[in-house]
Amino acid sequence: DTGVSQNPRHKITKRGQNVTFRCDPISEHNRLYWYRQTLGQGPEFLTYFQNEAQLEKSRLLSDRFSAERPKGSFSTLEIQRTEQGDSAMYLCASSAATGSWPDTQYFGPGTRLTVL
Amino acid sequence: QKEVEQDPGPLSVPEGAIVSLNCTYSNSAFQYFMWYRQYSRKGPELLMYTYSSGNKEDGRFTAQVDKSSKYISLFIRDSQPSDSATYLCAMSESGGYSTLTFGKGTMLLVSP
Repeated sequence: DTGVSQNPRHKITKRGQNVTFRCDPISEHNRLYWYRQTLGQGPEFLTYFQNEAQLEKSRLLSDRFSAERPKGSFSTLEIQRTEQGDSAMYLCASSAATGSWPDTQYFGPGTRLTVL
Repeated sequence: QKEVEQDPGPLSVPEGAIVSLNCTYSNSAFQYFMWYRQYSRKGPELLMYTYSSGNKEDGRFTAQVDKSSKYISLFIRDSQPSDSATYLCAMSESGGYSTLTFGKGTMLLVSP
């Protein structure tokens, strides 16, 4: 078990371009979360999957953002028509959903997005 | 006013000092409280967790929750340079799946 991995680690793009990030959760973790963290702030929840079903989306997640988890394993987060305000660290986390608390979320190292 | 307030620091202490980190919150529905540690260029990792009011101790770390004051604390005894990191408080309303609400984090610097 190598933990949660995210690719790429860094992405620089020009305003208006589309970007896609990938998250590979800890194997057999059925819950997967996406967060956004800007400099000097804590992570902000974006969306959550239970297996392949997207069960909750934050109102922070505008129509330009879409996330998928097609086979209940890895997940992708796509941002269309990027804006400078999208520059942030995008964190992925996974949890095992054992039924007992806490349902510990294990975070990946994040993908740092810079929109020029 | 944000739901969770946390002083961003930085907080600088000498090695061996007792460190006190705090958060206040406004949502009285929060019942589950967590502390995450985040090293530079890494994702957060869960450090401590408590349910409702009370204290919990784990080695050099003690977490306290005072729901009546909507105030939570993390104490670190005998602080070490390796404790230098950003400490994030996080809260949720339920113990099953529930959105985590984070504070902005306090940067701690422990000098040898």
